Amino acid sequence: GQNIDQPTEMTATEGAIVQINCTYQTSGFNGLFWYQQHAGEAPTFLSYNVLDGLEEKGRFSSFLSRSKGYSYLLLKELQMKDSASYLCAVREDNAGNMLTFGGGTRLMVKP
Amino acid sequence: NAGVTQTPKFRILKIGQSMTLQCTQDMNHNYMYWYRQDPGMGLKLIYYSVGAGITDKGEVPNGYNVSRSTTEDFPLRLELAAPSQTSVYFCASSYRTGGTDTQYFGPGTRLTVL
Repeated sequence: GQNIDQPTEMTATEGAIVQINCTYQTSGFNGLFWYQQHAGEAPTFLSYNVLDGLEEKGRFSSFLSRSKGYSYLLLKELQMKDSASYLCAVREDNAGNMLTFGGGTRLMVKP
Repeated sequence: NAGVTQTPKFRILKIGQSMTLQCTQDMNHNYMYWYRQDPGMGLKLIYYSVGAGITDKGEVPNGYNVSRSTTEDFPLRLELAAPSQTSVYFCASSYRTGGTDTQYFGPGTRLTVL
Protein backbone atom coordinates (compact mmCIF):
# COMPACT_ATOMS: atom_id res chain seq x y z
CA GLY A 1 0.00 0.00 0.00
CA GLN A 2 0.93 3.64 -0.23
CA ASN A 3 0.59 6.81 1.79
CA ILE A 4 0.85 10.10 -0.10
CA ASP A 5 0.77 13.46 1.64
CA GLN A 6 0.56 16.95 0.22
CA PRO A 7 -0.72 20.24 1.66
CA THR A 8 -4.42 20.85 1.25
CA GLU A 9 -4.24 24.50 0.19
CA MET A 10 -1.68 27.12 -0.76
CA THR A 11 -1.93 30.76 -1.75
CA ALA A 12 0.59 32.71 -3.82
CA THR A 13 0.85 35.99 -5.67
CA GLU A 14 0.84 36.47 -9.42
CA GLY A 15 4.40 36.56 -10.75
CA ALA A 16 5.85 34.75 -7.74
CA ILE A 17 7.27 31.24 -7.33
CA VAL A 18 5.51 28.49 -5.40
CA GLN A 19 6.66 25.02 -4.35
CA ILE A 20 4.16 22.24 -3.71
CA ASN A 21 5.55 19.33 -1.73
CA CYS A 22 4.59 15.68 -1.84
CA THR A 23 5.84 12.92 0.44
CA TYR A 24 5.11 9.27 -0.10
CA GLN A 25 5.67 5.84 1.36
CA THR A 26 5.56 2.88 -0.99
CA SER A 27 6.83 -0.68 -1.12
CA GLY A 28 7.82 -0.61 -4.78
CA PHE A 29 8.30 2.82 -6.31
CA ASN A 30 8.08 3.04 -10.08
CA GLY A 31 7.51 6.68 -10.91
CA LEU A 32 5.85 9.84 -9.67
CA PHE A 33 3.44 11.99 -11.64
CA TRP A 34 2.09 15.48 -11.19
CA TYR A 35 -1.29 16.40 -12.63
CA GLN A 36 -3.08 19.73 -12.82
CA GLN A 37 -6.83 19.86 -12.33
CA HIS A 38 -8.88 23.01 -12.82
CA ALA A 39 -12.17 23.17 -10.94
CA GLY A 40 -14.81 21.04 -12.61
CA GLU A 41 -12.39 19.61 -15.15
CA ALA A 42 -10.37 16.44 -15.66
CA PRO A 43 -6.76 16.08 -14.47
CA THR A 44 -4.12 16.77 -17.10
CA PHE A 45 -0.56 15.49 -17.05
CA LEU A 46 2.19 17.90 -16.01
CA SER A 47 5.34 15.94 -15.25
CA TYR A 48 6.93 12.58 -14.54
CA ASN A 49 9.94 11.64 -12.40
CA VAL A 50 11.44 8.22 -11.87
CA LEU A 51 15.10 9.09 -11.21
CA ASP A 52 16.41 11.50 -8.61
CA GLY A 53 16.75 15.06 -9.77
CA LEU A 54 14.96 17.91 -11.42
CA GLU A 55 12.83 17.79 -14.56
CA GLU A 56 12.13 21.18 -16.12
CA LYS A 57 9.29 22.03 -18.48
CA GLY A 58 8.98 25.73 -19.12
CA ARG A 59 7.57 27.45 -16.04
CA PHE A 60 7.03 24.11 -14.29
CA SER A 61 9.70 21.90 -12.72
CA SER A 62 9.43 18.73 -10.68
CA PHE A 63 11.99 17.28 -8.33
CA LEU A 64 12.34 13.78 -6.90
CA SER A 65 14.36 12.24 -4.08
CA ARG A 66 13.68 8.52 -3.96
CA SER A 67 15.70 7.96 -0.79
CA LYS A 68 13.62 10.56 1.06
CA GLY A 69 10.27 9.65 -0.53
CA TYR A 70 9.88 13.27 -1.52
CA SER A 71 8.93 15.30 -4.54
CA TYR A 72 8.03 18.88 -5.23
CA LEU A 73 6.42 20.77 -8.05
CA LEU A 74 7.84 24.24 -8.65
CA LEU A 75 5.78 26.82 -10.49
CA LYS A 76 7.55 29.99 -11.61
CA GLU A 77 6.16 33.31 -12.84
CA LEU A 78 2.75 32.43 -11.53
CA GLN A 79 -0.24 33.39 -13.62
CA MET A 80 -3.88 33.62 -12.59
CA LYS A 81 -4.65 30.61 -14.79
CA ASP A 82 -2.37 28.50 -12.58
CA SER A 83 -5.08 28.55 -9.91
CA ALA A 84 -6.00 24.86 -9.80
CA SER A 85 -5.50 21.70 -7.80
CA TYR A 86 -2.20 19.86 -8.21
CA LEU A 87 -2.28 16.13 -7.72
CA CYS A 88 0.74 14.03 -6.83
CA ALA A 89 0.46 10.37 -7.91
CA VAL A 90 2.81 7.45 -7.34
CA ARG A 91 3.07 4.31 -9.44
CA GLU A 92 4.10 1.02 -7.91
CA ASP A 93 5.97 -1.70 -9.77
CA ASN A 94 2.96 -3.93 -10.17
CA ALA A 95 0.78 -4.73 -13.15
CA GLY A 96 -1.71 -2.32 -14.60
CA ASN A 97 0.13 1.01 -14.53
CA MET A 98 -1.96 1.84 -11.47
CA LEU A 99 -1.49 5.18 -9.84
CA THR A 100 -2.23 6.10 -6.24
CA PHE A 101 -3.16 9.76 -5.87
CA GLY A 102 -2.63 12.15 -3.01
CA GLY A 103 -5.48 14.36 -1.90
CA GLY A 104 -4.33 17.26 -4.08
CA THR A 105 -3.15 20.76 -3.25
CA ARG A 106 -5.50 23.59 -4.16
CA LEU A 107 -3.43 26.58 -5.26
CA MET A 108 -4.98 30.03 -5.32
CA VAL A 109 -3.08 32.71 -7.22
CA LYS A 110 -3.94 36.25 -6.19
CA PRO A 111 -3.25 39.47 -8.08
CA ASN B 1 -8.92 12.08 -32.01
CA ALA B 2 -11.65 12.72 -29.45
CA GLY B 3 -9.50 11.11 -26.72
CA VAL B 4 -11.51 9.78 -23.79
CA THR B 5 -15.22 10.53 -23.82
CA GLN B 6 -17.73 9.93 -21.04
CA THR B 7 -21.50 10.04 -20.89
CA PRO B 8 -23.56 11.33 -19.24
CA LYS B 9 -21.97 14.51 -17.86
CA PHE B 10 -24.46 14.80 -15.02
CA ARG B 11 -26.95 12.43 -13.46
CA ILE B 12 -29.20 12.35 -10.43
CA LEU B 13 -30.28 8.92 -9.16
CA LYS B 14 -32.62 7.83 -6.44
CA ILE B 15 -31.43 5.35 -3.83
CA GLY B 16 -31.66 1.82 -5.21
CA GLN B 17 -31.68 2.80 -8.88
CA SER B 18 -29.16 1.44 -11.35
CA MET B 19 -27.20 3.06 -14.13
CA THR B 20 -24.25 2.60 -16.44
CA LEU B 21 -21.56 5.22 -16.93
CA GLN B 22 -20.15 5.03 -20.43
CA CYS B 23 -16.49 5.50 -21.35
CA THR B 24 -14.94 5.30 -24.80
CA GLN B 25 -11.42 6.01 -26.02
CA ASP B 26 -10.22 6.25 -29.60
CA MET B 27 -6.46 6.14 -28.97
CA ASN B 28 -6.17 2.33 -29.16
CA HIS B 29 -5.03 2.24 -25.56
CA ASN B 30 -4.75 -1.13 -23.84
CA TYR B 31 -5.27 0.09 -20.29
CA MET B 32 -8.41 1.72 -18.99
CA TYR B 33 -9.37 2.87 -15.50
CA TRP B 34 -12.29 4.13 -13.48
CA TYR B 35 -11.74 6.58 -10.62
CA ARG B 36 -14.02 8.41 -8.27
CA GLN B 37 -13.24 11.79 -6.77
CA ASP B 38 -15.10 13.04 -3.74
CA PRO B 39 -15.21 16.80 -3.08
CA GLY B 40 -11.80 18.20 -2.15
CA MET B 41 -10.19 14.79 -2.34
CA GLY B 42 -7.86 12.91 -4.64
CA LEU B 43 -8.77 10.15 -7.06
CA LYS B 44 -9.49 6.63 -5.90
CA LEU B 45 -9.25 3.70 -8.30
CA ILE B 46 -12.45 1.65 -8.62
CA TYR B 47 -11.62 -0.84 -11.38
CA TYR B 48 -9.11 -1.15 -14.16
CA SER B 49 -8.56 -3.21 -17.30
CA VAL B 50 -5.34 -4.22 -19.04
CA GLY B 51 -7.08 -5.26 -22.24
CA ALA B 52 -10.31 -6.50 -23.74
CA GLY B 53 -11.81 -9.25 -21.61
CA ILE B 54 -9.59 -8.54 -18.58
CA THR B 55 -10.67 -6.49 -15.58
CA ASP B 56 -9.52 -6.21 -11.99
CA LYS B 57 -10.49 -4.45 -8.78
CA GLY B 58 -8.90 -1.28 -7.59
CA GLU B 59 -9.00 0.31 -4.16
CA VAL B 60 -12.77 0.92 -3.86
CA PRO B 61 -14.67 -1.63 -6.03
CA ASN B 62 -17.67 -2.35 -3.77
CA GLY B 63 -20.99 -1.38 -5.33
CA TYR B 64 -19.63 -1.29 -8.88
CA ASN B 65 -19.11 -3.63 -11.80
CA VAL B 66 -17.27 -3.29 -15.09
CA SER B 67 -16.84 -5.08 -18.37
CA ARG B 68 -14.41 -4.71 -21.25
CA SER B 69 -15.72 -6.40 -24.37
CA THR B 70 -13.80 -4.13 -26.77
CA THR B 71 -10.57 -2.15 -26.64
CA GLU B 72 -12.50 1.12 -26.96
CA ASP B 73 -15.24 0.77 -24.33
CA PHE B 74 -15.12 0.36 -20.56
CA PRO B 75 -18.55 0.91 -18.97
CA LEU B 76 -19.02 1.19 -15.20
CA ARG B 77 -22.22 -0.22 -13.71
CA LEU B 78 -23.87 0.86 -10.46
CA GLU B 79 -26.47 -1.72 -9.48
CA LEU B 80 -28.08 -0.31 -6.33
CA ALA B 81 -27.19 3.34 -5.97
CA ALA B 82 -26.42 4.61 -2.48
CA PRO B 83 -25.78 8.17 -1.23
CA SER B 84 -22.16 7.19 -0.56
CA GLN B 85 -21.72 6.85 -4.34
CA THR B 86 -22.34 10.55 -4.86
CA SER B 87 -19.10 11.62 -6.51
CA VAL B 88 -17.42 12.64 -9.75
CA TYR B 89 -16.38 9.66 -11.83
CA PHE B 90 -13.42 9.84 -14.18
CA CYS B 91 -12.47 7.32 -16.80
CA ALA B 92 -8.85 7.23 -17.99
CA SER B 93 -6.74 5.28 -20.45
CA SER B 94 -3.09 4.65 -21.21
CA TYR B 95 -1.26 2.79 -23.95
CA ARG B 96 0.89 0.57 -21.78
CA THR B 97 2.53 0.39 -18.42
CA GLY B 98 5.88 1.80 -17.49
CA GLY B 99 8.04 4.71 -18.45
CA THR B 100 6.59 8.09 -19.09
CA ASP B 101 3.34 6.59 -20.32
CA THR B 102 0.72 8.76 -18.71
CA GLN B 103 -2.99 8.32 -18.21
CA TYR B 104 -5.42 10.47 -20.19
CA PHE B 105 -8.64 11.40 -18.46
CA GLY B 106 -12.16 11.91 -19.71
CA PRO B 107 -14.20 14.97 -18.70
CA GLY B 108 -15.98 13.16 -15.87
CA THR B 109 -19.53 12.26 -14.85
CA ARG B 110 -20.99 14.09 -11.88
CA LEU B 111 -23.36 11.72 -10.06
CA THR B 112 -25.70 12.58 -7.21
CA VAL B 113 -27.65 9.91 -5.35
CA LEU B 114 -30.61 11.16 -3.33
